[in-house]
Amino acid sequence: AQSVTQPDIHITVSEGASLELRCNYSYGATPYLFWYVQSPGQGLQLLLKYFSGDTLVQGIKGFEAEFKRSQSSFNLRKPSVHWSDAAEYFCAVLGNEKLTFGTGTRLTIIP
Amino acid sequence: EAGVVQSPRYKIIEKKQPVAFWCNPISGHNTLYWYRQNLGQGPELLIRYENEEAVDDSQLPKDRFSAERLKGVDSTLKIQPAELGDSAVYLCASSLTTYEQYFGPGTRLTVT
Repeated sequence: AQSVTQPDIHITVSEGASLELRCNYSYGATPYLFWYVQSPGQGLQLLLKYFSGDTLVQGIKGFEAEFKRSQSSFNLRKPSVHWSDAAEYFCAVLGNEKLTFGTGTRLTIIP
Repeated sequence: EAGVVQSPRYKIIEKKQPVAFWCNPISGHNTLYWYRQNLGQGPELLIRYENEEAVDDSQLPKDRFSAERLKGVDSTLKIQPAELGDSAVYLCASSLTTYEQYFGPGTRLTVT
């Protein structure tokens, strides 16, 4: 069965600073990987996805993620965060037609 | 394009009471999902529908949970009777393919 680990429960970043959120997955075959964002009281919004091809994928809101098969990782990055990026971020892997999520990383932005 | 609609947004009930959640998926999306999200956790799949058929309900606690999707559009998830441990956010999602799911805002259930 597939699984996702997000080792950072909570990250605090200054506005304008760069961001990297970590995600490690476990899946026997080629993974389909996703990052979602959840703002308070809202559902999940898809930021980006990786299926195949270029290992650096671009998403919405200036986010990007890099797939590294050798490290079983799919880390999310943003060069300069905005206060509106404060939210919960979830990494997910699709396997056997089932989406499995990590436990999430809560991002706090300080002025 | 309207997104996934869920109601109610919030529900507070006493334990042993029944509760129902409703979901209207994006028009044309044949696949509908119900997830449960416990506090501090990621969503976990409860049931997946392809049109009217429940194709994966392996994680649905069938002793107290039931779901239906009449006419392959709207869906209802029911809990009877509710327990304290059922307090969570219940998310509905829909998709054209498995690869991109669109989530509703969820129903936050509190069981007292």
